[in-house]
Amino acid sequence: DQQVKQNSPSLSVQEGRISILNCDYTNSMFDYFLWYKKYPAEGPTFLISISSIKDKNEDGRFTVFLNKSAKHLSLHIVPSQPGDSAVYFCAATPPNRDDKIIFGKGTRLHILP
Amino acid sequence: GAVVSQHPSRVICKSGTSVKIECRSLDFQATTMFWYRQFPKQSLMLMATSNEGSKATYEQGVEKDKFLINHASLTLSTLTVTSAHPEDSSFYICSAREGRYYGYTFGSGTRLTVV
Repeated sequence: DQQVKQNSPSLSVQEGRISILNCDYTNSMFDYFLWYKKYPAEGPTFLISISSIKDKNEDGRFTVFLNKSAKHLSLHIVPSQPGDSAVYFCAATPPNRDDKIIFGKGTRLHILP
Repeated sequence: GAVVSQHPSRVICKSGTSVKIECRSLDFQATTMFWYRQFPKQSLMLMATSNEGSKATYEQGVEKDKFLINHASLTLSTLTVTSAHPEDSSFYICSAREGRYYGYTFGSGTRLTVV
């Protein structure tokens, strides 16, 4: 049973436009959410995170929104750049187990020229 | 920022042999490191939590005797895949963290191919 779901396996966005990657989760007790970016044959790199006590966190071109009532979060990238083409993983940490990250399956983002 | 070095990046081994993968935190001490496995087009699955100076904590379904983890120092954890089989072929990634909300830093991963 997947606790963190990324229902779009891939997404194509024109360069310069906004990329929106979505993520849903099932456990309302998750208290911390993270987004990771991964290039082929490399380990994931931390991108941005948000605590469950917030509904928005912004870092440069990246903004993460959290809607706790809908158990939904999204990552916005604006403007999208060619180097943003990668797989993006949404992840969450369950309560009382902050050593464990639960990952979604990832969304492959293609930035089109 | 925090750097985690993992090697080898790629290894091919014969079925029945053992392979060791190293994970080092280069500029910080990590009392806890994590080992993940990723199958093609699948998410990263936590295999085990490696604790310095004590036994690793394995996730359900992960064979302890097959995936040996040693965390001998605050900067080094190793994963040994024993008696490897083709189905063990996968991408293995380690990670470590400096603080609770700092974000986990991942190694660059190891592509294991068992022939």
